[in-house]
Amino acid sequence: NAGVTQTPKFQVLKTGQSMTLQCAQDMNHNSMYWYRQDPGMGLRLIYYSASEGTTDKGEVPNGYNVSRLNKREFSLRLESAAPSQTSVYFCASSDVGGTEAFFGQGTRLTVV
Amino acid sequence: AQSVTQPDIHITVSEGASLELRCNYSYGATPYLFWYVQSPGQGLQLLLKYFSGDTLVQGIKGFEAEFKRSQSSFNLRKPSVHWSDAAEYFCAVGGGYGGATNKLIFGTGTLLAVQP
Repeated sequence: NAGVTQTPKFQVLKTGQSMTLQCAQDMNHNSMYWYRQDPGMGLRLIYYSASEGTTDKGEVPNGYNVSRLNKREFSLRLESAAPSQTSVYFCASSDVGGTEAFFGQGTRLTVV
Repeated sequence: AQSVTQPDIHITVSEGASLELRCNYSYGATPYLFWYVQSPGQGLQLLLKYFSGDTLVQGIKGFEAEFKRSQSSFNLRKPSVHWSDAAEYFCAVGGGYGGATNKLIFGTGTLLAVQP
């Protein structure tokens, strides 16, 4: 029972490089989310997808794009990485009207 | 504006001592409240949640939390802390369109250290 799977777990990028963080869930959830976690700031919502085919901005969307590829997968893309995007990124999923959000193990991204 | 405040950044308790982690929220509608725990290098695990009904809710690992509407608080408690409870704890509030877990707002976390 995998739950929410994120890849990669660790990544180092140079400023200006691009990359895509992958997220997949096997719980048949409708809603998926991307958060970033920074020291002293808790988790902040970057983008979310309430259902397949829809995406919306969260609190800190600048510098990111997302794709809800299908019901299972929700990817986060950094087109031109900046040091300010150094963070731990978490993907989560929940069912519409659900009572719990399930989180992946996180991707630790460093931009140098 | 919707927000969650965890006033204690870092707490140290002795093993076997009681614990209370504070959480205050600001939310315009009926809040759905959560406590999550994060062990080092791990994702977030749900400890407990409050949606309605009894204001004292029980969670996993011996944790409980009490919802006090008049104080806009949802403090987490444990009667006797174990060394394995050392972790970071996050309070969160939800309840937007789409359900309780849509667009969760998190506090900044409280890092718990347990000394022998």
